[in-house]
Amino acid sequence: AQSVTQLGSHVSVSEGALVLLRCNYSSSVPPYLFWYVQYPNQGLQLLLKYTSAATLVKGINGFEAEFKKSETSFHLTKPSAHMSDAAEYFCAVSEEDGAQKLVFGQGTRLTINP
Amino acid sequence: EAGVAQSPRYKIIEKRQSVAFWCNPISGHATLYWYQQILGQGPKLLIQFQNNGVVDDSQLPKDRFSAERLKGVDSTLKIQPAKLEDSAVYLCASTRGLTNGGPLGGELFFGEGSRLTVL
Repeated sequence: AQSVTQLGSHVSVSEGALVLLRCNYSSSVPPYLFWYVQYPNQGLQLLLKYTSAATLVKGINGFEAEFKKSETSFHLTKPSAHMSDAAEYFCAVSEEDGAQKLVFGQGTRLTINP
Repeated sequence: EAGVAQSPRYKIIEKRQSVAFWCNPISGHATLYWYQQILGQGPKLLIQFQNNGVVDDSQLPKDRFSAERLKGVDSTLKIQPAKLEDSAVYLCASTRGLTNGGPLGGELFFGEGSRLTVL
């Protein structure tokens, strides 16, 4: 069965600094990988999705993630943090495309310091 | 386009009481999901519907949880009787169907959730 581990339940960076949120996955087949963002008291919103078309995936709000099969990783990055990026971020894996049976990581809370 | 609607947003009950949550998915979305999100954890799938049929309910605690989607649109999730460990946010999500290609194909659209506190 697939699983996701997010390293660091809380990450704090300064405004303008690089954001790096780590995600490692386990899957018995080539996975579909996702990053979702959850702002306070809101539902989850899709940031980006890896579907095997390209290893570097660009998402919304300047975020991107790189799929590294050898490291079983799908880390999320953004070159320059903005105050509005403060939220909870979830990495998720699915072994099925359309069926979307997502398995989520435990989440990483991102705090931006002014 | 209206998003996924859920109600109530907040509910406080005592253990052994019952509670029901309602979800109205985005118009035209055939697939509907209920997730449970316990504080400090990622969402966990409880049940998946395709139209009015159940696709996957393997993680639904069927001794106390039930869900239905009678006309293939709205859905209700019920807990009876509630336990302390049921305290969580219950998220409803929808998507167009089981097969969705493309970069954001199959994207799940989530509602704001219903926060349950069991005392």
